[in-house]
Amino acid sequence: GAVVSQHPSRVICKSGTSVKIECRSLDFQATTMFWYRQFPKQSLMLMATSNEGSKATYEQGVEKDKFLINHASLTLSTLTVTSAHPEDSSFYICSASPIIDQQLETDTQYFGPGTRLTVL
Amino acid sequence: AQTVTQSQPEMSVQEAETVTLSCTYDTSESNYYLFWYKQPPSRQMILVIRQEAYKQQNATENRFSVNFQKAAKSFSLKISDSQLGDTAMYFCAFMGPQGGSEKLVFGKGTKLTVNP
Repeated sequence: GAVVSQHPSRVICKSGTSVKIECRSLDFQATTMFWYRQFPKQSLMLMATSNEGSKATYEQGVEKDKFLINHASLTLSTLTVTSAHPEDSSFYICSASPIIDQQLETDTQYFGPGTRLTVL
Repeated sequence: AQTVTQSQPEMSVQEAETVTLSCTYDTSESNYYLFWYKQPPSRQMILVIRQEAYKQQNATENRFSVNFQKAAKSFSLKISDSQLGDTAMYFCAFMGPQGGSEKLVFGKGTKLTVNP
């Protein structure tokens, strides 16, 4: 149990284009999903917290118009990097917390495998 | 704001030996959750162990155990019988009392290398 997938696993795009990353909880439903960014040899930096059916909460310094988050269902959240530039190149990771009544710890985040974004 | 400190950027251990990774945190909360996550070269974050602050008993998962000292705000991870597959970055993380809807606060990580 507690499998989270991300698609795509890696993407290369041209500067100025938009890229969408999907995060799915495959065997559980999640009230809350989180999006992180990780630079090489560094820890995870939280970008935003996403709740199903409501607007995401962004961390200070994260541009909400650049990093659009949609949490359309209890199993899917998407991150769209709009008008991507080389400085947006990074490793993006999502995580999900199960809802109550699942056979999982509700106060634990389960992580996806990450998406490597390269902007040329 | 909560902070998590991992004071050992890198550590190494011989296969089959025991190693302990340190983690301290700062919070004014009385109830919270603590985690150790492992990130191997594949970069997939894997939950190693979790501890609920109101439980005095130290959590254990097979070869992994923690020494949770609430008063000292310390949460170290002990890996027994180290295996080559334990080579990874290890992150200590704190979650506040609201549980699953709260964000994780991560330490900077400890890079562990298990040598044959």
